[in-house]
Amino acid sequence: GAVVSQHPSWVICKSGTSVKIECRSLDFQATTMFWYRQFPKQSLMLMATSNEGSKATYEQGVEKDKFLINHASLTLSTLTVTSAHPEDSSFYICSALPGTGISYEQYFGPGTRLTVT
Amino acid sequence: AQKITQTQPGMFVQEKEAVTLDCTYDTSDQSYGLFWYKQPSSGEMIFLIYQGSYDEQNATEGRYSLNFQKARKSANLVISASQLGDSAMYFCAMREGLGNTDKLIFGTGTRLQVFP
Repeated sequence: GAVVSQHPSWVICKSGTSVKIECRSLDFQATTMFWYRQFPKQSLMLMATSNEGSKATYEQGVEKDKFLINHASLTLSTLTVTSAHPEDSSFYICSALPGTGISYEQYFGPGTRLTVT
Repeated sequence: AQKITQTQPGMFVQEKEAVTLDCTYDTSDQSYGLFWYKQPSSGEMIFLIYQGSYDEQNATEGRYSLNFQKARKSANLVISASQLGDSAMYFCAMREGLGNTDKLIFGTGTRLQVFP
């Protein structure tokens, strides 16, 4: 149980286009999801916290108009990178918190590798 | 100041030996949680072990144990009987507060390589 999926697993897009990444909790409901970004050989940096039915909370330095987050249901959050540029190329990982169960468990998705050409 | 510090960018260990990965943290909160995650080359984050700030005993999960020294603010991961499959990046993380929605802050990671 407690599986989180991400789609796509990798994507290549041209500079200036937008790309949407989906994060789904497959067998549990997640009121809260987190979006992280990881540059090569670096650590995970939290971008935003996504709560179902409300606006996402963005970390300092993360452009909310560039990284649009929508948590429309208890099992789905999406991250849209708008007008992508090569510097947005990164590994994007989501995690989800179940509404019940062990309070500290955050379940991570397998990640999405974005390359902007 | 760094909230989570992992001073070992890389570690080598021979198969079947034990290895300790260091992690120190900085917080003024009384309530916090400490985590270790494994990230293989495929990229997924695998939860290994958790230690709450009020837990009096060191956490253990199979071959993983967390050496929690609260006064020194350290939370080292000990892997016993290393296996080749343990080769991966290991991240220490902290959550300030004990609420579900409190964010995780990650260290810079340690790359562990297990050799035969």
